[in-house]
Amino acid sequence: GNSVTQMEGPVTLSEEAFLTINCTYTATGYPSLFWYVQYPGEGLQLLLKATKADDKGSNKGFEATYRKETTSFHLEKGSVQVSDSAVYFCALRLNTGGFKTIFGAGTRLFVKA
Amino acid sequence: NAGVTQTPKFRVLKTGQSMTLLCAQDMNHEYMYWYRQDPGMGLRLIHYSVGEGTTAKGEVPDGYNVSRLKKQNFLLGLESAAPSQTSVYFCASSYSGGGATDTQYFGPGTRLTVL
Repeated sequence: GNSVTQMEGPVTLSEEAFLTINCTYTATGYPSLFWYVQYPGEGLQLLLKATKADDKGSNKGFEATYRKETTSFHLEKGSVQVSDSAVYFCALRLNTGGFKTIFGAGTRLFVKA
Repeated sequence: NAGVTQTPKFRVLKTGQSMTLLCAQDMNHEYMYWYRQDPGMGLRLIHYSVGEGTTAKGEVPDGYNVSRLKKQNFLLGLESAAPSQTSVYFCASSYSGGGATDTQYFGPGTRLTVL
């Protein structure tokens, strides 16, 4: 079946540290891949996306590259800030059959000043 | 532009009680969704709607009903609440549901506790 696996959290970093949150997926066909972010007390917001192999999504200093050969979509940021503290969700959406988005369990990030 | 709003933000119910969660969007989106979020499980789709007057079951529909009488509103009902329905509920909407690149917009969530 289709699924998304993320690294377990919480991840705790100091400000300006390098961030990697691993995400791998299993899917039939060729999905689009997404990272959503959830700040405390808020709903999920789209952070970035990639729709085909080797595409790189980027936003607010975050990047992720769609790696078909390793079925991965790891999230990276070169220098995190306290304001990046949130829960990050990796997700996939199939290109056939439309609507369903499958989410990973989420990874909580704490950034210390 | 409020986006997606949800009412209420918090609710505590006793087992067997009923309630309705309201979701409203002002983006003229056709598709609307109800998810539940449980620790360690990500978001799971409960029900969804592809347009006014339509509803369909998602991954975990048992114990819930929905209605989409107006395009901008999507209601989630619990007829007889159970402790297993303690969760955070998120509503989302999207312009269309058929494209893989379509973006979903989420509300702030409703935290429901069933005692």
